[in-house]
Amino acid sequence: GIQVEQSPPDLILQEGANSTLRCNFSDSVNNLQWFHQNPWGQLINLFYIPSGTKQNGRLSATTVATERYSLLYISSSQTTDSGVYFCAVGRNTGGFKTIFGAGTRLFVKA
Amino acid sequence: DTGVSQDPRHKITKRGQNVTFRCDPISEHNRLYWYRQTLGQGPEFLTYFQNEAQLEKSRLLSDRFSAERPKGSFSTLEIQRTEQGDSAMYLCASSSPRGGPADTQYFGPGTRLTVL
Repeated sequence: GIQVEQSPPDLILQEGANSTLRCNFSDSVNNLQWFHQNPWGQLINLFYIPSGTKQNGRLSATTVATERYSLLYISSSQTTDSGVYFCAVGRNTGGFKTIFGAGTRLFVKA
Repeated sequence: DTGVSQDPRHKITKRGQNVTFRCDPISEHNRLYWYRQTLGQGPEFLTYFQNEAQLEKSRLLSDRFSAERPKGSFSTLEIQRTEQGDSAMYLCASSSPRGGPADTQYFGPGTRLTVL
């Protein structure tokens, strides 16, 4: 099956700093999503981005499908950005399974 | 649109008991997913429904697990003869078709199961 690797596993930032989170996947995919899991466990969809670039406020994401990676950029980080960021991929062929990475745990210090 | 809801939010049971969880997806979504998440890990896919049809079932789902979506709306996940290893957060998500089987998924708050 598809393998999803996220890096770094843990990240500590000072408030206001920028960061880049990476997601590598082992095979071609038809869809890719980024999620934020807040400290209360709720998963929030950030981007649906099988290819290309999207931006939403201080967050942006880029997926290069041909090279099998995606990047999530967080600019001017805030303490409320703390939590775990997950990348999840899936493909139309061979079933409908969605595979999550292990996540990047982010802590933003005030 | 009230989002995806799950019930109960917490469940404590003794080993060997059966438990059932409910998920109510966003009303217009015809796709529904169940996941299991243990501490420090990403969610693991369990099963997928399109309307009332269960189209995918992970090998993680042993014979003790069963899921239904009888009318294509809410879904239930039942675990029979619970074991301590079943302790986890059980997450439900829903989506609507937009070109692929795993589109933008919206997650519920989860049901945290503790098996004593």
